[in-house]
Amino acid sequence: KAGVTQTPRYLIKTRGQQVTLSCSPISGHRSVSWYQQTPGQGLQFLFEYFSETQRNKGNFPGRFSGRQFSNSRSEMNVSTLELGDSALYLCASSLDASNNEQFFGPGTRLTVL
Amino acid sequence: AQSVTQLDSQVPVFEEAPVELRCNYSSSVSVYLFWYVQYPNQGLQLLLKYLSGSTLVKGINGFEAEFNKSQTSFHLRKPSVHISDTAEYFCAVSGRTGGYQKVTFGIGTKLQVIP
Repeated sequence: KAGVTQTPRYLIKTRGQQVTLSCSPISGHRSVSWYQQTPGQGLQFLFEYFSETQRNKGNFPGRFSGRQFSNSRSEMNVSTLELGDSALYLCASSLDASNNEQFFGPGTRLTVL
Repeated sequence: AQSVTQLDSQVPVFEEAPVELRCNYSSSVSVYLFWYVQYPNQGLQLLLKYLSGSTLVKGINGFEAEFNKSQTSFHLRKPSVHISDTAEYFCAVSGRTGGYQKVTFGIGTKLQVIP
């Protein structure tokens, strides 16, 4: 079974731009969660989708948004990028709503200049 | 609310020595507990998990952890580390909050194995 894939792996943007990151979960997994990872902050939860519905949202501004498609693939969007948005964005999928085990993708490294 | 505290941000240890990475959690509901490992430029990989049953959990790469409910701890141990264990380790707790299962991660512990 293929693992969680994230595209692109690396991205460089400038302040004010917007960006869309993509995540394809493991086949059959219906839950997708997004995390922002920065040095010193660890993993900060962004949001979680299950069956195309956002079930949970972390404490991030409205510039951060996401969606999930019928095939469980998910995208997250960040608008009006700020320098502080530079981070590794990780996507994790799990089989169902229990989140008993999450499988992580390799992440997208976003650099905002 | 639930939280996870990893007491050590960095742990240096000599090769073949034992290691313990500490994790304490706080939650008002019963929880599941996890340890993940992250190698440079990679995502997180599950090392082990506690869902129920025996409080001593064995994982991959020779790691094990013990769930101690009274001390709300889930410390990770390995009797003899290898250079390849150099990585960042994350403790996580999953508990039911607001009708949904929520996962909270600790800030991570960097394990540096010294030859």
